[in-house]
This record gives sequence, structure tokens and C-alpha cells, in this order.
Amino acid sequence: KQEVTQIPAALSVPEGENLVLNCSFTDSAIYNLQWFRQDPGKGLTSLLLIQSSQREQTSGRLNASLDKSSGRSTLYIAASQPGDSATYLCAVSGNTPLVFGKGTRLSVIA
Amino acid sequence: GAGVSQTPSNKVTEKGKYVELRCDPISGHTALYWYRQSLGQGPEFLIYFQGTGAADDSGLPNDRFFAVRPEGSVSTLKIQRTERGDSAVYLCASSLTGGAGNSPLHFGNGTRLTVT
Repeated sequence: KQEVTQIPAALSVPEGENLVLNCSFTDSAIYNLQWFRQDPGKGLTSLLLIQSSQREQTSGRLNASLDKSSGRSTLYIAASQPGDSATYLCAVSGNTPLVFGKGTRLSVIA
Repeated sequence: GAGVSQTPSNKVTEKGKYVELRCDPISGHTALYWYRQSLGQGPEFLIYFQGTGAADDSGLPNDRFFAVRPEGSVSTLKIQRTERGDSAVYLCASSLTGGAGNSPLHFGNGTRLTVT
């Protein structure tokens, strides 16, 4: 059974810092990995999708990497801003629909 | 364009009652998913539709939960004899293609269900 773990559970950084969120998964037989953002009381917004054949994807200040063989992904956020404060969720798609981690709650302090 | 729409946004019901939660996916999306999210947890998969049929319902916790998508668009999640443990946010998502496809999921804002 696929299990997804995200570390840390919570993170607080001053504005302007670069930061890395970590995601690991137990079954490397995945089709893709997605990173989502969730604001309080809201649904999930897709940030980046990495196909299993890809190593990384970039969108603006966000960069996500994937090492399928070791079961790891990282989300790099450059020059963090208070508006980046949210919960970031990692999810993997394999033989079952998306399996999510519990998320990392990020606070960027002005 | 319009995103995934879920109604109602909030639902409070008494233990033992029946509830229906509605999801309007993005037009043209063939795949539709229901997830349930408890406080401090990631979303947990319930059921996935490809077109009108349930392609995977392995996440439904018991036979009190049922979902339909009769015309391949709008879906309704139905919960019978609600229990306090059913309280959660129910999220719906759609994607252009489903299964192991490579199109991203687009989520609605969810329905917050509270069973008193």
C-alpha cells in the first residue's frame, strides 16, 4: 500500500528565504507526482505535476524535483513571500488514484 | 473558466440522517474523484468515476456511502444514517483524463459536513 510522508509537518521562515519541502513515498511504481497548495477552508490548487519519466518541473519561484528510484520529491520555493503561507501537499498517482501526504504547513513571516 | 463547483459549502445534519453532496466538474473532464479530508490530514480517496461508471470505489468506508454520476458530468455523494465520525470536508476533483493519466486534478472548495 502506497504511503506518502511529508517533512516537516510545519515550517516558519522569514520573508525572502529560500526553502525546501520534502516528500517521500514507499512504492516507486508511480505514474506522476503532484504538489498542491491548500489555503485554510479552501480546496487544493495544483502547483506542479511531474511525470514519472521527468526529473523536475518549474513554475515561477517554484521548482519540484523527483527521484523515483529513491521515492523522494522536493519542492523548492525561492524568495518566499507572506502570500506563500499555506499548507503544501504532495500526492502520487500509481495503480490507485492520488495518495496524499498530510502536508507541510508553511508560514512566511513579514 | 469555471472550476469545480461543490454544493452546499457547509452542511450540518443530525446523527442518523441522510445527506447528499453535489459536485459539478469542469466541463469536458471525463474523470471525477471524491476525497474526504479530516482536520490536519491529507485527503483520503473515496471513489473515482471514469465517465458514468465507478472505476474504483475501494475507498468508500462502508455501505452507508454511495456515489453516482448518471450522465457523466455532475456527481452526487450520498451518505445514509450519518455518524459523528463522518464529519469532515468532502472534496471533489476532476481531470481531463483519468486513471493513470497524466492530466492534473482540479479540486473544488469542498463541502464541510458536520454531524451532530
